[in-house]
Amino acid sequence: ETGVTQSPTHLIKTRGQQVTLRCSSQSGHNTVSWYQQALGQGPQFIFQYYREEENGRGNFPPRFSGLQFPNYSSELNVNALELDDSALYLCASSLVAGAHNEQFFGPGTRLTVL
Amino acid sequence: GQQLNQSPQSMFIQEGEDVSMNCTSSSIFNTWLWYKQDPGEGPVLLIALYKAGELTSNGRLTAQFGITRKDSFLNISASIPSDVGIYFCAGLANKAAGNKLTFGGGTRVLVKP
Repeated sequence: ETGVTQSPTHLIKTRGQQVTLRCSSQSGHNTVSWYQQALGQGPQFIFQYYREEENGRGNFPPRFSGLQFPNYSSELNVNALELDDSALYLCASSLVAGAHNEQFFGPGTRLTVL
Repeated sequence: GQQLNQSPQSMFIQEGEDVSMNCTSSSIFNTWLWYKQDPGEGPVLLIALYKAGELTSNGRLTAQFGITRKDSFLNISASIPSDVGIYFCAGLANKAAGNKLTFGGGTRVLVKP
C-alpha cells in the first residue's frame, strides 16, 4: 500500500508569484484535503476535494484554488503569493465512503515566500 | 468558528514517566483524532475515537472521548525518548459536512535535560 506523497519537498518563491503543489493520495482513497500549517501552530483546513469537486472550504481567499484528477491526485494552486503564505502545506487523503474517514497525511511541502 | 484548546502547550518528560495532555472545545465533535508530528514530517495518526465515553489504547498510548463530546485526553505511559515530538488533537464535527478536521495548537513534548 502506497502512502500519501507530496511534491516538491521545499520551494522558495517571491511575493506576487504563483505556485502549484502536488499530492498523490494513498492507494484506495478517493478524497484529498489540504491544510496550511504555520510555524508553531496546528494545521488549518484549506479545502477538500472529492470526486474531482470541491467538498468544503476553510477561511482562505479565492487565490487559493485546487484540482483533483480522475486518479484522485490533487493540486493546490496559490496566486499572488504573500509573505504570510510561508508555511508547511499538508495534504491528507481519506476514503469518504469508509466507516470512519480517518485522514492520513503526507510529509508536506515547505513553502517560503520572500 | 470551532476552536480546540490543547494543554499543556509544552512539557518535559523523563524516561519512564507517564504523561497526559488534553483538548477541549466549545462545540461538539463526532470524532476525535490524536496525531504526532516529528520535525520535517506530516502528522501521523495515533488513535481515533468515534463514540462519547470511548476509551481506546494503542500500545503505551491511551485516549478517551469525553462524555460531553467536547473534550478528549491522551496519556502516554512509561515514556521513552522517541515519544518526543508535537502531539495534536483534531476533531471532526460532521462526516457529511466534508471531513474538515479542526486541530488544536499542539503539545510539544521535550526530554528533560
